[in-house]
Amino acid sequence: GIQVEQSPPDLILQEGANSTLRCNFSDSVNNLQWFHQNPWGQLINLFYIPSGTKQNGRLSATTVATERYSLLYISSSQTTDSGVYFCAVVNSGYALNFGKGTSLLVTP
Amino acid sequence: GAVVSQHPSWVICKSGTSVKIECRSLDFQATTMFWYRQFPKQSLMLMATSNEGSKATYEQGVEKDKFLINHASLTLSTLTVTSAHPEDSSFYICSVRTSGVIQYFGAGTRLSVL
Repeated sequence: GIQVEQSPPDLILQEGANSTLRCNFSDSVNNLQWFHQNPWGQLINLFYIPSGTKQNGRLSATTVATERYSLLYISSSQTTDSGVYFCAVVNSGYALNFGKGTSLLVTP
Repeated sequence: GAVVSQHPSWVICKSGTSVKIECRSLDFQATTMFWYRQFPKQSLMLMATSNEGSKATYEQGVEKDKFLINHASLTLSTLTVTSAHPEDSSFYICSVRTSGVIQYFGAGTRLSVL
């Protein structure tokens, strides 16, 4: 199956800082999703972004499918942004293949 | 997006007992639901694909006789962990596949087996 790699594995930011999370995938995909898992475990859909750029408030994402990577930008980070960010691609059975995630801690 | 309810959110049981976890799609008729497992500090791994009205499809290495999945209606899938042991302690999450490829997740069930 398609391999999904995320970097960095861990990130600590001070409130107000910006960050970029990266997701590389091993083969061409026509679907890619970003999720935020909050400290209680709930997975929240952030973006469905097979290509191009999308923005939602302080978050934006860009996928360059031809170069097999996607970026998630977090601007003006807040403590509530803490948690784990996953990117995932859909496999042939429509299930999701997740990367290992980036664990983000935003400090006051 | 779909609203997915998962129950219970936390369960503690004795070794050897069985535990049932429910996953309900509250506003979408889901022919396909998925069950994932997440160990501490790790990613989500697919356990099985649950299809309404038919047998579930299990991933390699997942014991189908231990993790029983029933998807008897378009809004409910259940996962039963039979004869649970401490190594089954984990975070179990279900998801609902809507039209296309987007999935929506339940809040998860944290299972602790003593």
